[in-house]
Amino acid sequence: DAGVIQSPRHEVTEMGQEVTLRCKPISGHDYLFWYRQTMMRGLELLIYFNNNVPIDDSGMPEDRFSAKMPNASFSTLKIQPSEPRDSAVYFCASSPRTAGDYGYTFGSGTRLTVV
Amino acid sequence: AQSVAQPEDQVNVAEGNPLTVKCTYSVSGNPYLFWYVQYPNRGLQFLLKYITGDNLVKGSYGFEAEFNKSQTSFHLKKPSALVSDSALYFCAVRGPSGGSYIPTFGRGTSLIVHP
Repeated sequence: DAGVIQSPRHEVTEMGQEVTLRCKPISGHDYLFWYRQTMMRGLELLIYFNNNVPIDDSGMPEDRFSAKMPNASFSTLKIQPSEPRDSAVYFCASSPRTAGDYGYTFGSGTRLTVV
Repeated sequence: AQSVAQPEDQVNVAEGNPLTVKCTYSVSGNPYLFWYVQYPNRGLQFLLKYITGDNLVKGSYGFEAEFNKSQTSFHLKKPSALVSDSALYFCAVRGPSGGSYIPTFGRGTSLIVHP
């Protein structure tokens, strides 16, 4: 298995532009998570899905952020409009069941820079 | 609510010396505990977990962790550090099974192993 695949690896965009981050989880994993990592706040859980259904989006910082999972093999995190404070590394992770049993597999992340 | 504390932002150790990265937790019920490692420009990688059983858990790359219920700690250890162990280490905790609990991650500890 190729693991959790995220694209793009790096994204530089101007303030106000729409940004879409993509994730392909490991086949057969029921759970998908989106995290944001910054020096100031560490690792923050934004949203997670179970069997393609969003379960908890309480970590999504604002209405500018949205996430979808149209099928078991693909998810997107969209920021519209983007702001400089959104600059961070965004990670996608998947788990075959609840992470308490198996742990997560993380993707390599997307480094987002909003200028 | 569950929480994790990693009291040291950075740990410095000489190559060949033993290393310890500290983690304490707070959770209702018996904890599920995890350690992850993050190398530069990579996602987090699962190292080891404790759910039940022997208090000393062995994981990848020669790492082990000791669960201490009375001290609510789960310190990561390695008998002999390598320069290649230099990375960011995250501890995570979640509550017992039966619910859809999602692990809470600590802020991370940067381990620097000097030649």
